[in-house]
Amino acid sequence: AQTVTQSQPEMSVQEAETVTLSCTYDTSESDYYLFWYKQPPSRQMILVIRQEAYKQQNATENRFSVNFQKAAKSFSLKISDSQLGDAAMYFCAYREYGNKLVFGAGTILRVKS
Amino acid sequence: DTAVSQTPKYLVTQMGNDKSIKCEQNLGHDTMYWYKQDSKKFLKIMFSYNNKELIINETVPNRFSPKSPDKAHLNLHINSLELGDSAVYFCASSQDWVRGPNSIPNYGYTFGSGTRLTVV
Repeated sequence: AQTVTQSQPEMSVQEAETVTLSCTYDTSESDYYLFWYKQPPSRQMILVIRQEAYKQQNATENRFSVNFQKAAKSFSLKISDSQLGDAAMYFCAYREYGNKLVFGAGTILRVKS
Repeated sequence: DTAVSQTPKYLVTQMGNDKSIKCEQNLGHDTMYWYKQDSKKFLKIMFSYNNKELIINETVPNRFSPKSPDKAHLNLHINSLELGDSAVYFCASSQDWVRGPNSIPNYGYTFGSGTRLTVV
């Protein structure tokens, strides 16, 4: 079974600084997608960024970027210029062809002003 | 227009009751899902339907029965509610994964806003 591991239960960052959230996954597949979802206190699940495994280039969405290391099965999320609105639970997720989305346990991100 | 809408947002009920949660998506997606988020925030899939056909049924008690009248709707009915059923239930939808030159580079899920079920 696929597993997704987020080793940081909680992280803190000062406003305007940069923080990196870690994620590793286990798979024997070569064709898959990776995602980061954000869940603020409103509990809505919001897609932050996605990465296709066949693409070597790291995905970027404004202040959010990933460091995708396929051989190491690592998929970390970097948030630059952190804002108070970034405070939330962040979930790393994995999906392979013909299969479901599997989530990690989540990392709580706190942003200090 | 809400892409994936589920109702109700909150549900408080007594043990032993039967309740339903409804979900509708207007994205034209072929596949819909129910996920359960427990008190520790862990998200686990319960069911998946593709074009009204049950695809995934993940070791969920028989008291939980999904129903998909059409590919835009997936409802969840729960019989004989127990205290341990208290959780947030999320509905989600996604496009079919098509390999080859017509593949669409977005196979993430779109989630509804969740239903917080509290059994007392």
